[in-house]
Amino acid sequence: DQQVKQNSPSLSVQEGRISILNCDYTNSMFDYFLWYKKYPAEGPTFLISISSIKDKNEDGRFTVFLNKSAKHLSLHIVPSQPGDSAVYFCAASLDYNTDKLIFGTGTRLQVFP
Amino acid sequence: DAGVTQSPTHLIKTRGQQVTLRCSPKSGHDTVSWYQQALGQGPQFIFQYYEEEERQRGNFPDRFSGHQFPNYSSELNVNALLLGDSALYLCASSLDLNRAGANVLTFGAGSRLTVL
Repeated sequence: DQQVKQNSPSLSVQEGRISILNCDYTNSMFDYFLWYKKYPAEGPTFLISISSIKDKNEDGRFTVFLNKSAKHLSLHIVPSQPGDSAVYFCAASLDYNTDKLIFGTGTRLQVFP
Repeated sequence: DAGVTQSPTHLIKTRGQQVTLRCSPKSGHDTVSWYQQALGQGPQFIFQYYEEEERQRGNFPDRFSGHQFPNYSSELNVNALLLGDSALYLCASSLDLNRAGANVLTFGAGSRLTVL
């Protein structure tokens, strides 16, 4: 039972354009959502997060949008850079105070010149 | 500042054997979690250790056990290995007292286990 779904296994975007990565979830009790980025041979690194009481959080080039009614969140990267090429994981938790995260299967982003 | 370090990076075992994976958390962190990442999947939570006790556990059988030492380092043990245990095992650390950054885990690069 996949509670967090990333239906696009890959995405290819030209440098300078916007990258939009999508994530859907099924459990309405999720309280906190995060995006992690993973380069080959490295562990995932935290990118940005959003609480369920908000609908948008922005950090530099990265913005996460949350639509609770649709159980959907998205990560926008503007402008995209070649160094953004990585696998992006969406994750959710039931409690702000837990390290138990439920991850999606990831989306591989490739940013080409 | 050293991040999360894991050892070994790669190992090969046969079915039925036992394996121990090791993790040193990021300096200043006191909580360690373990995740299993199968090929093509996202990381899946195994368990979390804090103050040398298992605080939370995911949906994994008792063959998976762990330990946390007084210096906050941790071990993951898997007994009676199955082919399906082949995966990347990720260790993550966090600081329990700093819940303003809750869920913001620092991951190691992982230990890749192959079971033949």
